[in-house]
Amino acid sequence: DAKTTQPPSMDCAEGRAANLPCNHSTISGNEYVYWYRQIHSQGPQYIIHGLKNNETNEMASLIITEDRKSSTLILPHATLRDTAVYYCIVRASGSARQLTFGSGTQLTVLP
Amino acid sequence: EAQVTQNPRYLITVTGKKLTVTCSQNMNHEYMSWYRQDPGLGLRQIYYSMNVEVTDKGDVPEGYKVSRKEKRNFPLILESPSPNQTSLYFCASSLSEGLAGSEQFFGPGTRLTVL
Repeated sequence: DAKTTQPPSMDCAEGRAANLPCNHSTISGNEYVYWYRQIHSQGPQYIIHGLKNNETNEMASLIITEDRKSSTLILPHATLRDTAVYYCIVRASGSARQLTFGSGTQLTVLP
Repeated sequence: EAQVTQNPRYLITVTGKKLTVTCSQNMNHEYMSWYRQDPGLGLRQIYYSMNVEVTDKGDVPEGYKVSRKEKRNFPLILESPSPNQTSLYFCASSLSEGLAGSEQFFGPGTRLTVL
């Protein structure tokens, strides 16, 4: 699975959009981009995933660049409860192995 | 409610005393796995199971056993726990690893301390 690079930490004001970047320059054609988050020692929670098109669900939007070498997770109106570590993971479809969680980005939403 | 449950949530034990951490999911998922999470090391996979009676090692299987006799349950067994197995453990399940973009559901975690 391709390696990902994320900033270690970010702050965001409550009510504003949080834009979390991820670089995955070695991604290959059959690899999806997944985002999970982990709120302090709880089980990781799935947010969204995509292959090459932008995706949106009730939690977030995922913007993947045309060359697929990077992506951005957007939380449109961040709340204090969105404070968590956000993990960007690249993984091939059909891979039976683990999700490789890197260090992630600690997002702190400030009141 | 669709969920993955783990028991116990917290456990303090002593070296060498066999223990089992249970994991159960109610979503009819085929794929289940166990991870451990340690500071500075992230989540690492211990074992996974593609379906009933099919299990395989992850990246850190030493000292652990698993079984998958029923689709819903995937217990983690520590035959002779040691202090280096003190960790936060997560069970996860997903519909199938063969499907594109399969989301994994994680349990709430089990915090294990081995003295």
